[in-house]
Amino acid sequence: DQQVKQNSPSLSVQEGRISILNCDYTNSMFDYFLWYKKYPAEGPTFLISISSIKDKNEDGRFTVFLNKSAKHLSLHIVPSQPGDSAVYFCAASADANSGYALNFGKGTSLLVTP
Amino acid sequence: DAGVIQSPRHEVTEMGQEVTLRCKPISGHNSLFWYRQTMMRGLELLIYFNNNVPIDDSGMPEDRFSAKMPNASFSTLKIQPSEPRDSAVYFCASSLRGETEAFFGQGTRLTVV
Repeated sequence: DQQVKQNSPSLSVQEGRISILNCDYTNSMFDYFLWYKKYPAEGPTFLISISSIKDKNEDGRFTVFLNKSAKHLSLHIVPSQPGDSAVYFCAASADANSGYALNFGKGTSLLVTP
Repeated sequence: DAGVIQSPRHEVTEMGQEVTLRCKPISGHNSLFWYRQTMMRGLELLIYFNNNVPIDDSGMPEDRFSAKMPNASFSTLKIQPSEPRDSAVYFCASSLRGETEAFFGQGTRLTVV
């Protein structure tokens, strides 16, 4: 039962353009959302997060948008760079009682072409 | 800080053999998580510990899988006996309880032939 869904397995974007990665979730108890980035043969690394009390969080070229009513979040990367090519995982957690265990989507492989 | 350390990085074993994966969390972190990554299921949570105590092992696929955390600086994930369908990348992650950002190790790529 996948509670966090990333329906696009892959995305290709030209350098300099905007990359938009999407994520949907089903569990209304989720109150914290994160994006992780993963290069081959490495572990996922934290990129950016957002609390459910916000609808936007920005960090440099990366912005995460949250639409609670639609149970949808997205990651915007602008401008995209070739070094951004990686697999991006969306993750969500419920509350302290769950130990903040993260539920992950299956990932979206982003390719940024020069 | 060296980050989360996992060993071995790669493991190839024959079906039926016992496999033990090891993890050293970041010093001071009191939550530890074991994840498995496969093409079909993505990153799935197997088990997590808070203060060395297993909290939720509902993600452990079968009784062949077991995990321990004898102290705050060491955890193991054991598969006995191993099967080809256990082939995957296994990640260990740790966090400071109360913070949601988890730090991952580099993973152990397990191949069961």
